[in-house]
Amino acid sequence: GENVEQHPSTLSVQEGDSAVIKCTYSDSASNYFPWYKQELGKRPQLIIDIRSNVGEKKDQRIAVTLNKTAKHFSLHITETQPEDSAVYFCAATSAGRRALTFGSGTRLQVQP
Amino acid sequence: SAVISQKPSRDICQRGTSLTIQCQVDSQVTMMFWYRQQPGQSLTLIATANQGSEATYESGFVIDKFPISRPNLTFSTLTVSNMSPEDSSIYLCSVEEGSQNTIYFGEGSWLTVV
Repeated sequence: GENVEQHPSTLSVQEGDSAVIKCTYSDSASNYFPWYKQELGKRPQLIIDIRSNVGEKKDQRIAVTLNKTAKHFSLHITETQPEDSAVYFCAATSAGRRALTFGSGTRLQVQP
Repeated sequence: SAVISQKPSRDICQRGTSLTIQCQVDSQVTMMFWYRQQPGQSLTLIATANQGSEATYESGFVIDKFPISRPNLTFSTLTVSNMSPEDSSIYLCSVEEGSQNTIYFGEGSWLTVV
């Protein structure tokens, strides 16, 4: 089955800096890669996703890149703000499986 | 996105008892999933709830412990049976919706077993 590894487990940045979180996956059939943000005590919220037919996707300060050959994808947050502080999860799935397999999570702390 | 409601949102349960969590969606969805999130951990898939058929369980999860119902395209239940403190977790219902098959989560049910 699919295995998703996520690094780093914790990340502390200064407000205004960029943050990068990286994930690798094992199943070459995976073709959908969402990222979720989970604030303390709340549900995971989808922030951006990418499908295997594109290499990069941007939404304001957030971008995701995908390298299918290397089986890795990354989340990039620019101009970080204190409200970006949360746990971020990457995930992967395929058209056949449908259910998501999650990475272990990254706790991002943005220092004011 | 669909509105996904879970009940209860939070509960404290006695060891050895069972609790049923309800998940209600405001639109018809084909795929529904149940996840567990233990304290400080990631999300682990328990099972996929299929309408009109038995749920498909992941390795390490069994129907006797986590029976699931899916009577229609807008509702599902997950029962946590014979609970122990190790079952203290957030249980999350999720659905796949839209033409892009995006997955969204309910608010979660926070269970503490004492």
